[in-house]
Amino acid sequence: DTEVTQTPKHLVMGMTNKKSLKCEQHMGHRAMYWYKQKAKKPPELMFVYSYEKLSINESVPSRFSPECPNSSLLNLHLHALQPEDSALYLCASSQGLAGVEQYFGPGTRLTVT
Amino acid sequence: SQQGEEDPQALSIQEGENATMNCSYKTSINNLQWYRQNSGRGLVHLILIRSNEREKHSGRLRVTLDTSKKSSSLLITASRAADTASYFCATVNTGGFKTIFGAGTRLFVKA
Repeated sequence: DTEVTQTPKHLVMGMTNKKSLKCEQHMGHRAMYWYKQKAKKPPELMFVYSYEKLSINESVPSRFSPECPNSSLLNLHLHALQPEDSALYLCASSQGLAGVEQYFGPGTRLTVT
Repeated sequence: SQQGEEDPQALSIQEGENATMNCSYKTSINNLQWYRQNSGRGLVHLILIRSNEREKHSGRLRVTLDTSKKSSSLLITASRAADTASYFCATVNTGGFKTIFGAGTRLFVKA
C-alpha cells in the first residue's frame, strides 16, 4: 500500500469554527509532513514530524495545531482561521528523515468564510 | 522565500515534442528532486539526482544537475497529453529536513 489518504477532501468553515484535517499512511514511513498550497503556487512546508515528534515548525500561526497520535496518523487541528488560510492542505510521508521521495496525499481543499 | 526558481513559468507544446524545464536554487544541497502535480491534486515524486551526479534518466525523463551553477533541468521526451501538469523541483537544505519547492512550471501538452 503506497497511498497517503486525507480526509475530508473539501472543508468549508467559518472563522469561529474548530475542525481537524486527517492524514494516514500505512507504509511504515518515519517522517510525515504538512504543506499549505495556494493556487498557482508551490507547496509551502508547515510542519515535519519524525518518529512521531515535531521536528520542524515553520513559524506557523498557533491557530494551526499539528498532532501525531501514532506513526500512521497525522492531524492538523484548525481554530479561528482567517480567510487567507483558504488553501489546499497537503500531507506527505517519507521513509527517510531527509525529505527524500515524499508520498503525497490528494489534499484537503479548505475554504474559510 | 522559495529557494528554487523555475523557468519557464508556463509551457505549451504539441504532443510528441520535448519539454524542458529549468530550476535554480541558492544553497548547498545533498540532492534535488522533481515532482509532478496534476491540477489540484497531490504531488508525485518523479526522480532524484544526487549532488555528485550530473545526469540521470528514468523512462522519458532526463534530469541534469550543475552544482557550480546551482541549477537543474528536467527534459520530458516525446510528450503526451497525459504529461499536462505542473512540475516542481525540490531541494532539502544540507543537514536539514526542510523541503523547499521551486515556483513550478505549468506544462500543457496539446493532443
